[in-house]
Amino acid sequence: KAGVTQTPRYLIKTRGQQVTLSCSPISGHRSVSWYQQTPGQGLQFLFEYFSETQRNKGNFPGRFSGRQFSNSRSEMNVSTLELGDSALYLCASHSRDRGFYEQYFGPGTRLTVT
Amino acid sequence: AQSVTQPDIHITVSEGASLELRCNYSYGATPYLFWYVQSPGQGLQLLLKYFSGDTLVQGIKGFEAEFKRSQSSFNLRKPSVHWSDAAEYFCAVGAGGTSYGKLTFGQGTILTVHP
Repeated sequence: KAGVTQTPRYLIKTRGQQVTLSCSPISGHRSVSWYQQTPGQGLQFLFEYFSETQRNKGNFPGRFSGRQFSNSRSEMNVSTLELGDSALYLCASHSRDRGFYEQYFGPGTRLTVT
Repeated sequence: AQSVTQPDIHITVSEGASLELRCNYSYGATPYLFWYVQSPGQGLQLLLKYFSGDTLVQGIKGFEAEFKRSQSSFNLRKPSVHWSDAAEYFCAVGAGGTSYGKLTFGQGTILTVHP
């Protein structure tokens, strides 16, 4: 069974631009959670989507948004990029509706904002 | 709100030595507890999990962890470390109910293995 895939793997953007990151979950998993990882703040929860609906949201500004499609693929968007948005963005796939609580992570997208 | 503390930022052990990584959590109810490992430039790999039942759980790569409710701890152990175990280790706590999809992570412990 294929794992979680994230595209692109690396991205360089300029301050003020916006960016869209994509995540394809493990087949059969209908939940996707997103996390930001930085050296200073560690791993922080951004949001979770299940069945195309946002179920949980972390403490991030409104510039961070996401969505989920009917095939469970998810995208997250960051608008008006700031230098502090440079991070590794990880998505995790899990099976909320089957009671499994294990989150399986993709390799991440490394975003650099200059 | 739940929180996780990993007191050791960096641990160095010799290959073949035993290992224990500490994790303390704060959560009002019975927590869901996890240990993940991350190699440089990679995502997180699940090592083991605790939901309920037997407090000693076995994971992949020869790791085990023990849940101690009285100490709010979930320490990770391995009897004999291999050079390939060098990585960063994260303890995480999850909540059920409406917070199902949210994990709260500790700051991580970097493990260095000397030959």
